[in-house]
Amino acid sequence: DAMVIQNPRYQVTQFGKPVTLSCSQTLNHNVMYWYQQKSSQAPKLLFHYYDKDFNNEADTPDNFQSRRPNTSFCFLDIRSPGLGDAAMYLCATSRAGGEGYGYTFGSGTRLTVV
Amino acid sequence: QKEVEQNSGPLSVPEGAIASLNCTYSDRGSQSFFWYRQYSGKSPELIMFIYSNGDKEDGRFTAQLNKASQYVSLLIRDSQPSDSATYLCAVGGGADGLTFGKGTHLIIQP
Repeated sequence: DAMVIQNPRYQVTQFGKPVTLSCSQTLNHNVMYWYQQKSSQAPKLLFHYYDKDFNNEADTPDNFQSRRPNTSFCFLDIRSPGLGDAAMYLCATSRAGGEGYGYTFGSGTRLTVV
Repeated sequence: QKEVEQNSGPLSVPEGAIASLNCTYSDRGSQSFFWYRQYSGKSPELIMFIYSNGDKEDGRFTAQLNKASQYVSLLIRDSQPSDSATYLCAVGGGADGLTFGKGTHLIIQP
């Protein structure tokens, strides 16, 4: 089945230790997104890739970076995680211009910072 | 800045009744509107999307859109305990991503 896969499902990292979260998709969607969702809050868009073009939200901290080496994969790098970065990180994909398809989310990665 | 507002609840509804969830949005130029269901600890799951004013029905779910009032709603008929979840309203579309509300926590009482 075509899907969006996030690994790992749970990630524990130490304060200040770089961590990378991964997302892969078999939907061949050209847009990939990273959202951060803290407890009882709305998912917040961090950035997205439209094909190879990177689009950063204005209020996304510099501590967060992303890479998209090819159509199928996208990575979220947190250079120096702080306690406030503990959250669920959601990867989503969409087909630009395909309004009827919405956005497909992966299962998320729950990040804990200790 | 685009904003999406929802009553956080919890909204408690007896099993078999109609659950009504509401959402307002700030960007009058918004074109696409989505309802996602999110179970605790899980990722959002698309329930409905709507683009045109009026009602859109899919099974037990009906989405309603009123662009003049900047208002979107979701009705769930014959509510089941499995419908208990947080319902996220999202606005936007295209390649720029979605703006989400904080969600309404719905509890269906058996």
